Amino acid sequence: DAKTTQPNSMESNEEEPVHLPCNHSTISGTDYIHWYRQLPSQGPEYVIHGLTSNVNNRMASLAIAEDRKSSTLILHRATLRDAAVYYCILRDGYSGGGADGLTFGKGTHLIIQP
Amino acid sequence: DGGITQSPKYLFRKEGQNVTLSCEQNLNHDAMYWYRQDPGQGLRLIYYSQIVNDFQKGDIAEGYSVSREKKESFPLTVTSAQKNPTAFYLCASSNVGSVSNSPLHFGNGTRLTVT
Repeated sequence: DAKTTQPNSMESNEEEPVHLPCNHSTISGTDYIHWYRQLPSQGPEYVIHGLTSNVNNRMASLAIAEDRKSSTLILHRATLRDAAVYYCILRDGYSGGGADGLTFGKGTHLIIQP
Repeated sequence: DGGITQSPKYLFRKEGQNVTLSCEQNLNHDAMYWYRQDPGQGLRLIYYSQIVNDFQKGDIAEGYSVSREKKESFPLTVTSAQKNPTAFYLCASSNVGSVSNSPLHFGNGTRLTVT
């Protein structure tokens, strides 16, 4: 299964942009890139996903490298409520679902300084 | 509002007892999943089910059992055979098929403590 690599932790200041990197050098052509975040003592929540093109939604933006071997989650203006663990995972869009690629690593612990 | 409900939020059991964790969803999702999370760690997949009356083992299925008799429900039993059952358990669901890139929806977890 294709795996992802993320930094263990990152720190940013409130109201500044945050760029969270993810490497996925063995990504296959049918893998979608998903991002989730988990607040303390809660279940993860979906943030954004994409295949090839950059994506924007109300929570964040996803920038995908041209070769798809890396991606970056962008929080445009971090708030204290954005402090969480952010997970980058790959999900096979061909297999019809199941558990393919649904491996959550340790993620990146994002710390926001006021 | 649609969502996933896990109950109870906290559960305490004595060693040697089986315990069943509840997971119910009203999102009309076909697929459901159980994950385990230990402190400071990522999520590890225990079992998953893509359709009623069918389920598959994940990476750490030993000591656990599941059933999928209804689309809405996917209970997880932690048996006495599970060597280290104390953990945070998360249930999730998603669509499958033509929307297989659809996101996972998670419940808020059950924290199980076995002493």
